[in-house]
Amino acid sequence: EPEVTQTPSHQVTQMGQEVILRCVPISNHLYFYWYRQILGQKVEFLVSFYNNEISEKSEIFDDQFSVERPDGSNFTLKIRSTKLEDSAMYFCASSPSGLKDTIYFGEGSWLTVV
Amino acid sequence: RKEVEQDPGPFNVPEGATVAFNCTYSNSASQSFFWYRQDCRKEPKLLMSVYSSGNEDGRFTAQLNRASQYISLLIRDSKLSDSATYLCVVPFYNQGGKLIFGQGTELSVKP
Repeated sequence: EPEVTQTPSHQVTQMGQEVILRCVPISNHLYFYWYRQILGQKVEFLVSFYNNEISEKSEIFDDQFSVERPDGSNFTLKIRSTKLEDSAMYFCASSPSGLKDTIYFGEGSWLTVV
Repeated sequence: RKEVEQDPGPFNVPEGATVAFNCTYSNSASQSFFWYRQDCRKEPKLLMSVYSSGNEDGRFTAQLNRASQYISLLIRDSKLSDSATYLCVVPFYNQGGKLIFGQGTELSVKP
């Protein structure tokens, strides 16, 4: 069964460093998402991406965050200057045609900022 | 009312028990709803979709009450493997569309 893959599975970084989380969505999917989950809290929407541009972003997704689809397969989330409160599990997700279809989540990238 | 609110849990039940989770949502325009299952430190996985009054899949039944903006998930004959956190998820179709997750209800099924 096709799946969304994410790398790295776990990253530890120092406060103020830049981090790039990588995702390979399912190949025929057109809608891409990033969500995050702080330990013990609920899953929160960060950003949705369609047709090579951001279609919606949350209040969490401030100027420190950016997304990119640099080629036909990868979808990246960059955090420019990490803060302690950015420590969370980051889930990438994709869907063939948005919310009308099942959204498939990757296994997540656990980011620890120290 | 919060966008999506669930029973706080945790629910501790013996094998074979029937357990029900409740969820309320604030967006009266939402047309479809989802229950996801999340194992510890894993990704959410779709358990059931609910588009009309309800949906049944084996031991799992989801019901929807649009007038009360209320969704429920019933698990019959609980198995040890049902132990997980169950997430009520509501799509919001503003702009690009996003899923709004409830905080989850933890279920622990004991032998």
